[in-house]
Amino acid sequence: GAGVSQTPSNKVTEKGKYVELRCDPISGHTALYWYRQSLGQGPEFLIYFQGTGAADDSGLPNDRFFAVRPEGSVSTLKIQRTERGDSAVYLCASSATNLGSPLHFGNGTRLTVT
Amino acid sequence: QKEVEQNSGPLSVPEGAIASLNCTYSDRVSQSFFWYRQYSGKSPELIMSIYSNGDKEDGRFTAQLNKASQYVSLLIRDSQPSDSATYLCATEAGGFKTIFGAGTRLFVKA
Repeated sequence: GAGVSQTPSNKVTEKGKYVELRCDPISGHTALYWYRQSLGQGPEFLIYFQGTGAADDSGLPNDRFFAVRPEGSVSTLKIQRTERGDSAVYLCASSATNLGSPLHFGNGTRLTVT
Repeated sequence: QKEVEQNSGPLSVPEGAIASLNCTYSDRVSQSFFWYRQYSGKSPELIMSIYSNGDKEDGRFTAQLNKASQYVSLLIRDSQPSDSATYLCATEAGGFKTIFGAGTRLFVKA
């Protein structure tokens, strides 16, 4: 079966623009996560979905960031009015629903805000 | 603020030696602990998971958990140059939210 798929792999945008990052999880995985990773740092938790609902969005840095998962499968991370500090690799991961399941990561989207 | 702490390294060991990676966590209710390996420019991949106190062995890797001390470690026996990577310690901080340490960079010298 296919792994977690993220598109685009790279995105360059100008400061102030709007971007959407897409994640297609492993089939059957109900849990979906978004992380942000800067150079030399570990993945920083942003938001977690269980099914269609955001179970924990405590990691979203501010109201410019928003994520949806309308049908409980594909998720989109949306960033409004991008800033240079948003530049990072955005990682999506999925896992089976039971507690203690490890995460399966996609290849990430490298976002560069110029 | 729930945290996972790791020494950033780099940790350098000769080929064939044992590499020892350490991690502490702040959330006493954490039940699940993971070690991920991340090669430069790649995404993290799971190496080991451990859920109860003691040792868990898988090939050249051994994870050790001590919940009383809030301490997790990873031992890599017979280290190979291909083991050179960043090793991320992770735990579940309440519910399903998995949080990561900053990672320890390991270099295995041939």
